[in-house]
Amino acid sequence: DSGVTQTPKHLITATGQRVTLRCSPRSGDLSVYWYQQSLDQGLQFLIQYYNGEERAKGNILERFSAQQFPDLHSELNLSSLELGDSALYFCASSALGTGSYEQYFGPGTRLTVT
Amino acid sequence: GQSLEQPSEVTAVEGAIVQINCTYQTSGFYGLSWYQQHDGGAPTFLSYNALDGLEETGRFSSFLSRSDSYGYLLLQELQMKDSASYFCAVRDPNRDDKIIFGKGTRLHILP
Repeated sequence: DSGVTQTPKHLITATGQRVTLRCSPRSGDLSVYWYQQSLDQGLQFLIQYYNGEERAKGNILERFSAQQFPDLHSELNLSSLELGDSALYFCASSALGTGSYEQYFGPGTRLTVT
Repeated sequence: GQSLEQPSEVTAVEGAIVQINCTYQTSGFYGLSWYQQHDGGAPTFLSYNALDGLEETGRFSSFLSRSDSYGYLLLQELQMKDSASYFCAVRDPNRDDKIIFGKGTRLHILP
């Protein structure tokens, strides 16, 4: 158990809909990262927040947004969902903003868009 | 562009040694990380190399050559439970600190 929690574990929704994925980092970790993993694209970095502020941005679509709240939990919002958004979404946390390469991953949320 | 290249699959025998290579092409570089992921599971951190040389952690070792933009993960005394996918990853300070993962190497272990 990494100490990172993600909810829900599974999510099935229709195209065009909007969903919110939630992540709670390990106790004491200030950074939260979001990743998308699909069979053909591997593990894709989406975005990182550090202590409530956006720290780094990857290949995150404009239809996706995220935020980190004062209690350090984070939410990833996916809107206007398309079939291609079906994937496993991981949240990870680390103690620092940079130079902290030991990330702890949550169990993931499997999103299925039908 | 930015890319990490690693073999898609490697097969080895239980008890043997296997090396998984990773070459990277990024404009900036902090260091090279390795993660293990079992089927249906989440990635778990294995090692990180910021400087050239070998880092050893139990049965696993990781090596980095910055001049060659190359690293590898060495797994010794292979066990069946080591069957998993292994990813290398870098963070590029010249590209807004983007984190880039390789596509992963699937390790098959034969009894």
